[in-house]
Amino acid sequence: SQQGEEDPQALSIQEGENATMNCSYKTSINNLQWYRQNSGRGLVHLILIRSNEREKHSGRLRVTLDTSKKSSSLLITASRAADTASYFCATGIQGAQKLVFGQGTRLTINP
Amino acid sequence: DGGITQSPKYLFRKEGQNVTLSCEQNLNHDAMYWYRQDPGQGLRLIYYSQIVNDFQKGDIAEGYSVSREKKESFPLTVTSAQKNPTAFYLCASSINGLAGNNEQFFGPGTRLTVL
Repeated sequence: SQQGEEDPQALSIQEGENATMNCSYKTSINNLQWYRQNSGRGLVHLILIRSNEREKHSGRLRVTLDTSKKSSSLLITASRAADTASYFCATGIQGAQKLVFGQGTRLTINP
Repeated sequence: DGGITQSPKYLFRKEGQNVTLSCEQNLNHDAMYWYRQDPGQGLRLIYYSQIVNDFQKGDIAEGYSVSREKKESFPLTVTSAQKNPTAFYLCASSINGLAGNNEQFFGPGTRLTVL
């Protein structure tokens, strides 16, 4: 069953603007990960944030985690056309040896 | 050049046939995974293996089978018992499968179409 739910399902913005995607989950986690998928390709790992961390940065990416609200957000700053892709959150659930992926947010950056 | 490969990229199958999708990794990872992705959807876990000669069912294992005879290889067979097999299949690996604590590396995927 899908635990993570991304919001919005689709997002379209102008190049240079910031893009924010949200992920909510239901059970206790060890970590939360964000992945990117270009159309028809495999997923690429972007960032992993552990349950005891609140914020993490990687280049133009900023991820926050609020375990009290069971939610995470991914911020992409100064977006580029090449950022157009689907973005998925995945949760590493306590006691389980696997990741559970959400439905994804389809991001379109308009030049 | 380390990575994870899948073959073929496109696969066509007639109804009633079994087909096997290949997945190979040279990352020396212990854990490997198979996911199914339907259009506009997220990934659903079919099977996973944390170590050679061992594997577990995921959320949608019915109609699929796997083997893990070598650390590098984790082939997936889509059997005729799978009623709706047309989908995009993704293989992944991670250094180990401990509590999902590690990032997963994905192959490029195989698109299976049933004619």
